[in-house]
Amino acid sequence: GQNIDQPTEMTATEGAIVQINCTYQTSGFNGLFWYQQHAGEAPTFLSYNVLDGLEEKGRFSSFLSRSKGYSYLLLKELQMKDSASYLCAVRDGDYQLIWGAGTKLIIKP
Amino acid sequence: ETGVTQSPTHLIKTRGQQVTLRCSSQSGHNTVSWYQQALGQGPQFIFQYYREEENGRGNFPPRFSGLQFPNYSSELNVNALELDDSALYLCASGGAGEVNEQFFGPGTRLTVL
Repeated sequence: GQNIDQPTEMTATEGAIVQINCTYQTSGFNGLFWYQQHAGEAPTFLSYNVLDGLEEKGRFSSFLSRSKGYSYLLLKELQMKDSASYLCAVRDGDYQLIWGAGTKLIIKP
Repeated sequence: ETGVTQSPTHLIKTRGQQVTLRCSSQSGHNTVSWYQQALGQGPQFIFQYYREEENGRGNFPPRFSGLQFPNYSSELNVNALELDDSALYLCASGGAGEVNEQFFGPGTRLTVL
């Protein structure tokens, strides 16, 4: 079956670094996405990986290992506004995105 | 702001009724996907439309149907509403580029009583 696993909740301190892991088992793979979702709002696109390795975008980086079915999102220099849910999604085939339940990240001063 | 709009913002219906939700895609995007997101869960793919044709569907019953119009706006229709249909309904538009990331609208919060 199709399955994407992420931790339910994580807590980190302002200014620190946090890594959010995602493991997946899907019938197909055509890219992995990370989205950020603030409470009551729509998801917003953060990153995309289709090849193995690290993609860096400012304070956010995302890593993919297709052989291990594993990705992580790394957030550096955490700010209070980074408190949100982070969703991992795998594109299965041409269109369908299969989503994890999201990781709620709590930032403390 | 993603340029994707949805209406209405909130809606309350009773079991057995029918509902139509609307989405206006970002300019230049010819695909639209609809998702259902229950509280504390990730979005669940309902279906996708490309150039007015449904070209992908998730595990949702036929009472969930949709339309995409020539101007790339779209509708999600749900018949015979059930209590479990209470959720946030998101539409997302995407282009045809390499990444083809999806841009989400703000969602419609549907409550079925």
